Amino acid sequence: QKEVEQNSGPLSVPEGAIASLNCTYSDRGSQSFFWYRQYSGKSPELIMFIYSNGDKEDGRFTAQLNKASQYVSLLIRDSQPSDSATYLCAVNTREGGADGLTFGKGTHLIIQP
Amino acid sequence: SAVISQKPSRDICQRGTSLTIQCQVDSQVTMMFWYRQQPGQSLTLIATANQGSEATYESGFVIDKFPISRPNLTFSTLTVSNMSPEDSSIYLCSERLGETQYFGPGTRLLVL
Repeated sequence: QKEVEQNSGPLSVPEGAIASLNCTYSDRGSQSFFWYRQYSGKSPELIMFIYSNGDKEDGRFTAQLNKASQYVSLLIRDSQPSDSATYLCAVNTREGGADGLTFGKGTHLIIQP
Repeated sequence: SAVISQKPSRDICQRGTSLTIQCQVDSQVTMMFWYRQQPGQSLTLIATANQGSEATYESGFVIDKFPISRPNLTFSTLTVSNMSPEDSSIYLCSERLGETQYFGPGTRLLVL
């Protein structure tokens, strides 16, 4: 059984601070890892993905992957009120993305002005 | 990125009826997927829609309840059959581009 675990929150962060979102996964064979943002009433939109251990940066977002610990995180620097949303961690267990994604339940992030 | 459209965007249906949801993508892709997002929940994969072969269903989902068609590389349909109120959900299609998946806007279904 593939499982992806996230703290549901809500996680409240002051504007301008760093928001740290965490995710663990059960399948050690997992190959690729994704962070999606979902605003209320909208479909998920891809923020970034990571395959290799270490950090990957894209603008204000940094994804961190530690396969030994089966842990992936997302850091949001200089948090803005528009970052308030639910953040979904998703995992693909087949090389080349041949599988659909297994999602965590999401973390509800609130950026306080 | 990807351009994905779904029809209908929302519907209200009576129990016992069926609804077919259409998904159109702008790229010719091998892999399309159908997901369900129940109220307050995350996304759950229903099936993988393969062009030219039968769909592959996840545990807990069966073809009789959720028949899927994939007539070409840019189009797929999902039918929710013999609906009950428990089928009230958002149904999303997605396409795989490279190593990533992009989602359509979703179909909001309410079954009375």
